[in-house]
Amino acid sequence: EIVLTQSPVTLSLSPGERATLSCRASQSVSNYLAWYQQRPGQAPRLLIYDASTRATGIPARFSGSGSGTDFTLTISSLEPEDFAVYYCQQRSNWPPVTFGGGTKVEF
Amino acid sequence: QVQLQESGPGLVKPSGTLSLTCAVSGGSVSSSNWWSWVRQPPGKGLEWIGEVYYSGNINYNPSLKSRVTISLDKSKNQLSLNLSSVTAADTAVYYCARLQVVTYAFDIWGQGTMVTVSS
Repeated sequence: EIVLTQSPVTLSLSPGERATLSCRASQSVSNYLAWYQQRPGQAPRLLIYDASTRATGIPARFSGSGSGTDFTLTISSLEPEDFAVYYCQQRSNWPPVTFGGGTKVEF
Repeated sequence: QVQLQESGPGLVKPSGTLSLTCAVSGGSVSSSNWWSWVRQPPGKGLEWIGEVYYSGNINYNPSLKSRVTISLDKSKNQLSLNLSSVTAADTAVYYCARLQVVTYAFDIWGQGTMVTVSS
């Protein structure tokens, strides 16, 4: 099973600041890495797939990078609605599909 | 657009079976996608339960495989989840989600349904 480790667990920032979130895989997942945003009481929302491709309707301030075992989600300038929990997910070597433990971006 | 809606009992007794359905609207379960179940215990992260392909291929999380059954009902355009021998550890919000073959990502999610295991 591929383990995804996200860091930091919590990121304390202010609106307008840049957020950098990390996801490290226990073995290579090539570029089969996705990122999700989850706001309280809501289902996750797909932000990024294939490590760096924004999903439909996702603002350009969200960007993803990386390949192999190290990946980064960057939010260039935080908007109030971006304060949420972010998860990475892989389906390169499955089953199982695995998710990271999440990073909470808080104000 | 495609929408997913989970339904089922919100309370299940310990040692019983949790049964949920996910109705698909605006699209067909016979399309070339994987249909999955994902759960989230209160205050915790996401756990993949398993998936079913439109052709009938099924994959389960090895950690739950002995207790899980996922199926597709093409006539009703829905998927189902059965989880047997439940304990309090199975208390969670249960989501159904569509995983696209081309992206290997979950692009559509249901709103989720909370299931509590308690006597």
